[in-house]
Amino acid sequence: AQSVTQLDSHVSVSEGTPVLLRCNYSSSYSPSLFWYVQHPNKGLQLLLKYTSAATLVKGINGFEAEFKKSETSFHLTKPSAHMSDAAEYFCVVSEVYTGFQKLVFGTGTRLLVSP
Amino acid sequence: GAGVSQSPSNKVTEKGKDVELRCDPISGHTALYWYRQSLGQGLEFLIYFQGNSAPDKSGLPSDRFSAERTGGSVSTLTIQRTQQEDSAVYLCASSLWQGGTDTQYFGPGTRLTVL
Repeated sequence: AQSVTQLDSHVSVSEGTPVLLRCNYSSSYSPSLFWYVQHPNKGLQLLLKYTSAATLVKGINGFEAEFKKSETSFHLTKPSAHMSDAAEYFCVVSEVYTGFQKLVFGTGTRLLVSP
Repeated sequence: GAGVSQSPSNKVTEKGKDVELRCDPISGHTALYWYRQSLGQGLEFLIYFQGNSAPDKSGLPSDRFSAERTGGSVSTLTIQRTQQEDSAVYLCASSLWQGGTDTQYFGPGTRLTVL
């Protein structure tokens, strides 16, 4: 089975400083990986996805993630945090079966942004 | 266009009662998923529907949980004889599922509280 590990349950940054949210995956084959964001009392929104094309993936709201096979990592970054980025972020790996795909979620990282 | 919608947004019930949660997927999406988000278990897959095929129920936690999808569109998740451990946010997602890596779009969820 595939899995993802989010290394930090909470990350605190100041507005305008860089963001790094760490994720490591475990997969027996080339995985498909996603980052989703969940704002308080809102649904999950897709930030970006990696599907074995370019290893550097650009997403919405200035976020990007780099797939590093040698390190089995898929860390999420943003050059400059904004107050509106405060939310919970989930690293997700896809398990593909015959006829469907199941998402396996990490435990989440709560990003706190201070003024 | 319209996204995935879920109703009710909040549901409070007494232990032992049955509840029904509804999901309206994005129009044209053939695949529909239910997930559960709880404090102790994180985000976990419950059940999957694809078109008119038999659903994959491998994630349902007990036989008190069931789901159906009528006409390949709207889905209802039913929990019978609710228990306090059923308290969670129930998320529905839909996708086109054309094979390979698929993007699942999530609804805002239904927060279930069992007293």
